[in-house]
Amino acid sequence: DTGVSQDPRHKITKRGQNVTFRCDPISEHNRLYWYRQTLGQGPEFLTYFQNEAQLEKSRLLSDRFSAERPKGSFSTLEIQRTEQGDSAMYLCASSLGGVSEQFFGPGTRLTVL
Amino acid sequence: ILNVEQSPQSLHVQEGDSTNFTCSFPSSNFYALHWYRWETAKSPEALFVMTLNGDEKKKGRISATLNTKEGYSYLYIKGSQPEDSATYLCAFIMYSGGGADGLTFGKGTHLIIQP
Repeated sequence: DTGVSQDPRHKITKRGQNVTFRCDPISEHNRLYWYRQTLGQGPEFLTYFQNEAQLEKSRLLSDRFSAERPKGSFSTLEIQRTEQGDSAMYLCASSLGGVSEQFFGPGTRLTVL
Repeated sequence: ILNVEQSPQSLHVQEGDSTNFTCSFPSSNFYALHWYRWETAKSPEALFVMTLNGDEKKKGRISATLNTKEGYSYLYIKGSQPEDSATYLCAFIMYSGGGADGLTFGKGTHLIIQP
């Protein structure tokens, strides 16, 4: 399978714990995006990378969120000191850049108790 | 804050009927508009990437039009089938000087095809 993969698919954690998600993009794609989707809403942009450089971060991304893409391949999204409001589906997508279509992974469903 | 609106929020259509829904977006600094289909338990999948005013794109029974001057796009489904049941999302890309950034999505139109 050469699509975008995400791990884990589901994560249940207690408030205050740290969590980390991983995304493996399509190998030839230099752009990688993170989105968050809550019930009844469309996906909301969080951040994106061009190769290993993080080029934009949404104001939605608080200081508790950090993302990395070492070596321009896979990416991790870490949430520190999770809050119940962080419960959402976290989607990763990759593309060739510009206006190209984005290819989405299956998402990581986070539940914060 | 970019405002991307989709209507209606949900739609029930009889199998075999045709339907359409709307996406409205800012008419300034337009760069591109994407349409995605998101089926339950699957990943969003791109339908169309539209960049030019007056664009019309078609994929099988699904087509889309684009009006960048007035800031709207229509998605049409002809002869709806049960497998068309999904949430249809439009996403706007604003030109920011440095090129394309992340997508700003609407809330989607949830389409249910009734046999």
